[in-house]
Amino acid sequence: EAGVAQSPRYKIIEKRQSVAFWCNPISGHATLYWYQQILGQGPKLLIQFQNNGVVDDSQLPKDRFSAERLKGVDSTLKIQPAKLEDSAVYLCASSLGGTYKWYGYTFGSGTRLTVV
Amino acid sequence: AQSVAQPEDQVNVAEGNPLTVKCTYSVSGNPYLFWYVQYPNRGLQFLLKYITGDNLVKGSYGFEAEFNKSQTSFHLKKPSALVSDSALYFCAVRDWGGYNKLIFGAGTRLAVHP
Repeated sequence: EAGVAQSPRYKIIEKRQSVAFWCNPISGHATLYWYQQILGQGPKLLIQFQNNGVVDDSQLPKDRFSAERLKGVDSTLKIQPAKLEDSAVYLCASSLGGTYKWYGYTFGSGTRLTVV
Repeated sequence: AQSVAQPEDQVNVAEGNPLTVKCTYSVSGNPYLFWYVQYPNRGLQFLLKYITGDNLVKGSYGFEAEFNKSQTSFHLKKPSALVSDSALYFCAVRDWGGYNKLIFGAGTRLAVHP
């Protein structure tokens, strides 16, 4: 089974520029997550999709971050304009649905964003 | 609210010695507990989980974890550490206030010295 694919692996941008990250989940995984991992901290959930609908975006800074999941498969996360504090690793994860037989996520390799 | 605490920022151990990485949790509902490992410039990899059943859970790469309900702990263990085990380890708990969501601890860096 192919894993969760993310691109790019690394990105360096100047503050106030825009950037986009792409994620392709494991085939058949209905739930897709975007996490932000700042250096020295644990991953923090930004947004969660169930198929192509948003389940939880309570921690997403909506004035600058946006995300979409077209056709319930691939997803893109965008930052516009970027700030220095957005420097982090952006992790995408996916999981099967179900409530009582839900056993966690599979993560992609992440995109390391550096804002200078 | 659900939460996870990893009290140690870093654990140092000599190769061949046993290792323990600590995790305590707080959850309203049945505790679904997970350990993930992160190697440099990589995403998080699943190690093991506790859903129900035996308190000692065996996982990948020789790791195991002991679930202790009375102490609300889920410590990660390995009988004999390898230098290649050096990485960042995250404990996570299922957030029953959300839908199929994990809450992660801050992570513990494990350094295994030759």
